[in-house]
Amino acid sequence: DGGITQSPKYLFRKEGQNVTLSCEQNLNHDAMYWYRQDPGQGLRLIYYSQIVNDFQKGDIAEGYSVSREKKESFPLTVTSAQKNPTAFYLCASTGGGFTGELFFGEGSRLTVL
Amino acid sequence: GQQVMQIPQYQHVQEGEDFTTYCNSSTTLSNIQWYKQRPGGHPVFLIQLVKSGEVKKQKRLTFQFGEAKKNSSLHITATQTTDVGTYFCAGVTMNSGYSTLTFGKGTMLLVSP
Repeated sequence: DGGITQSPKYLFRKEGQNVTLSCEQNLNHDAMYWYRQDPGQGLRLIYYSQIVNDFQKGDIAEGYSVSREKKESFPLTVTSAQKNPTAFYLCASTGGGFTGELFFGEGSRLTVL
Repeated sequence: GQQVMQIPQYQHVQEGEDFTTYCNSSTTLSNIQWYKQRPGGHPVFLIQLVKSGEVKKQKRLTFQFGEAKKNSSLHITATQTTDVGTYFCAGVTMNSGYSTLTFGKGTMLLVSP
């Protein structure tokens, strides 16, 4: 079955540690996205990539970094510079850029202690 | 920047009652998408509206796109407990060949049996 796999589903880290969230898709989509979701908030765009080896900052990129070395993979690193990293992180992909349907992974819930 | 406002933030209904959520954009949209997120789950695409004044139905769900392409609504007739979740609209704008997608904060629907 085609889809998006995010791991880990739950992650606990101490303050000051970098963490990397994995996102893999086998939908053959060119575009991939990372969103952050906080309670009562919508989805806020962190980074997106329209093609391999290229990515752009979204609305809240500070304290995050990404790479896109392979079409199917778009990992997100939450660095120690991110002031409030506890959140639900969602990875998504589309076959048609922002004008197409977003397919989401099941999410990774990060808690920083 | 573009803003997408969604109301109400929360609604609690009795099973069998109707429900409507409204989405308003500060700018004219190219198209609008709707997503549903079940509690503890990830957003799932419901529909995309593209044409001015468009109305689409999916069983008990009716989606409308305003004539000015700045607002949209989702109406659920005779709610069921399976309708519980948060409904998000997401507006797409096109600018100089680039597209951006902005999510509303969502409407959380609770249905009591």
